[in-house]
Amino acid sequence: KAGVTQTPRYLIKTRGQQVTLSCSPISGHRSVSWYQQTPGQGLQFLFEYFSETQRNKGNFPGRFSGRQFSNSRSEMNVSTLELGDSALYLCASSLVGADGEAFFGQGTRLTVV
Amino acid sequence: GDSVTQMEGPVTLSEEAFLTINCTYTATGYPSLFWYVQYPGEGLQLLLKATKADDKGSNKGFEATYRKETTSFHLEKGSVQVSDSAVYFCALSGRDDKIIFGKGTRLHILP
Repeated sequence: KAGVTQTPRYLIKTRGQQVTLSCSPISGHRSVSWYQQTPGQGLQFLFEYFSETQRNKGNFPGRFSGRQFSNSRSEMNVSTLELGDSALYLCASSLVGADGEAFFGQGTRLTVV
Repeated sequence: GDSVTQMEGPVTLSEEAFLTINCTYTATGYPSLFWYVQYPGEGLQLLLKATKADDKGSNKGFEATYRKETTSFHLEKGSVQVSDSAVYFCALSGRDDKIIFGKGTRLHILP
């Protein structure tokens, strides 16, 4: 069974640009969550999608957005990039009702210069 | 809201030493509790979990017991190896299925 796949693995962007990250969950998993990981703040929850609907949202500005497609694949978008957006972005998929166990991808390392 | 607090790192131990990483939580209801591990350059992997009070999760020699009376889920291993060097995250999943993570504890094992 294929794991969670995130693309791309690495990205370098310039301040002010926008970026789109992609996540393909494990087959059959309909819940996809996104996290931002930085050395200073640790793992911070961005949002969670289930059946194409945003079900939970963390405390991030509106520049951070996401969506989920009918095949459960998800994308997150960050507009007007700032230096502080440099981070590892992790995607996790899970089976709803499976005690919350999440399966993570390897992440996308975003560097904003 | 729900939260997880775990001991600050880094923790440095010699090979074969005993390991404890403390984790306490605040949550409404009866959350599921997890320990995840992150090796360098990789995403998080589930290490073990417990879904109700007094449950003990175990995997690869690591153990943690769900203690509702002390709201704790401390991670232990009797004899650590160099290959256990990683970052360990305590986490909970509440009624809305949102997973809340602690800040992580970096573990260094010296040969």
